[in-house]
Amino acid sequence: GAVVSQHPSRVICKSGTSVKIECRSLDFQATTMFWYRQFPKQSLMLMATSNEGSKATYEQGVEKDKFLINHASLTLSTLTVTSAHPEDSSFYICSARGIIHTDTQYFGPGTRLTVL
Amino acid sequence: QKEVEQNSGPLSVPEGAIASLNCTYSDRVSQSFFWYRQYSGKSPELIMSIYSNGDKEDGRFTAQLNKASQYVSLLIRDSQPSDSATYLCAVHTGFQKLVFGTGTRLLVSP
Repeated sequence: GAVVSQHPSRVICKSGTSVKIECRSLDFQATTMFWYRQFPKQSLMLMATSNEGSKATYEQGVEKDKFLINHASLTLSTLTVTSAHPEDSSFYICSARGIIHTDTQYFGPGTRLTVL
Repeated sequence: QKEVEQNSGPLSVPEGAIASLNCTYSDRVSQSFFWYRQYSGKSPELIMSIYSNGDKEDGRFTAQLNKASQYVSLLIRDSQPSDSATYLCAVHTGFQKLVFGTGTRLLVSP
């Protein structure tokens, strides 16, 4: 149980384009999902907390207009990187909060974004 | 002071030895603690969670928690080359978030 998927696993795009990343909880309903970013040799940095049916809560320093988050259903959250630039190239990972132990997070496999 | 601190390593141990990974945290109200394993280029995988002082064992893994000292550790017995990865300590804060350490890179040599 507690399987989280992400799509796509890898994306290469041109500077200025927008990229959408999907995060799905496959075998449970996730009222809360989290979006992280990880640069090489660094730890995970929380970008935002996504709550189903409401606006996402962004961490300090994360531009909400650049990283659009939508959590329209209990099993799907999307992150759209708008007008991507090379400095946005990173490993984006989502996680979903567990049901029984709500402080436990289960991670998706991640999306490697490369902006040329 | 960082919220969650880990030695970045690498920690090198021979196959079959015990690997000891340590983590300290700053938020005294934290109640939930986690160890994740992350292979290069992959996302974190939950290994263990611990909530109470003392030891918690799961197979070759033992998590230890000392809230008075604000210290969490992970012991890996009979280390295998496949255990070579970065181990992330994570602490659940009062703001319903997980805060991660920078991770300790473990290298198990055959």
